Amino acid sequence: GQNIDQPTEMTATEGAIVQINCTYQTSGFNGLFWYQQHAGEAPTFLSYNVLDGLEEKGRFSSFLSRSKGYSYLLLKELQMKDSASYLCAVSLNSGNTPLVFGKGTRLSVIA
Amino acid sequence: NAGVTQTPKFRVLKTGQSMTLLCAQDMNHEYMYWYRQDPGMGLRLIHYSVGEGTTAKGEVPDGYNVSRLKKQNFLLGLESAAPSQTSVYFCASSPSGGGTDTQYFGPGTRLTVL
Repeated sequence: GQNIDQPTEMTATEGAIVQINCTYQTSGFNGLFWYQQHAGEAPTFLSYNVLDGLEEKGRFSSFLSRSKGYSYLLLKELQMKDSASYLCAVSLNSGNTPLVFGKGTRLSVIA
Repeated sequence: NAGVTQTPKFRVLKTGQSMTLLCAQDMNHEYMYWYRQDPGMGLRLIHYSVGEGTTAKGEVPDGYNVSRLKKQNFLLGLESAAPSQTSVYFCASSPSGGGTDTQYFGPGTRLTVL
């Protein structure tokens, strides 16, 4: 089976840095996505990693280690609008599900 | 471009009733997907399509049927609704390549089955 683990909830202070971890055990791997989902809204794309290393995109960065089955999303200079759920998703090259999502991490940014 | 749109946005059904959810995309994407999202469960794939006229089962297909008669539309049907199908349903599309392409999501349909 496919298993993707991420923390259920996190809280961080405005202006700080927060790291959201994701570990995965899947049969087949094509890459790893991070999506952001505000309450009551649709998920929106944040990042995609297929090679080991860090991908930086403004205040957001995503890291992947394929050998360790591990990724993290790093959010810098946190803003109140970053309060949302962050979904880790693994792209598979086999089976009946092209993309498998973790349960998401709900991040609350406090003043 | 409207992107991915879903109809309706909200719906309340009684057990045993049927309904169809419509998803439309104007990005000429080949792949389309239907997910359900439940508290504590994350997004789970119901059915998907890799092109016009094709459909495939996902992780949780039981109780649902789908059709992709036109490239831009993907319909999700509930033949006999059950309370366990109370959920938020998201449609998504991607250009091609299945899981290696970014999926673009619609705004969701909130369905309650009494």
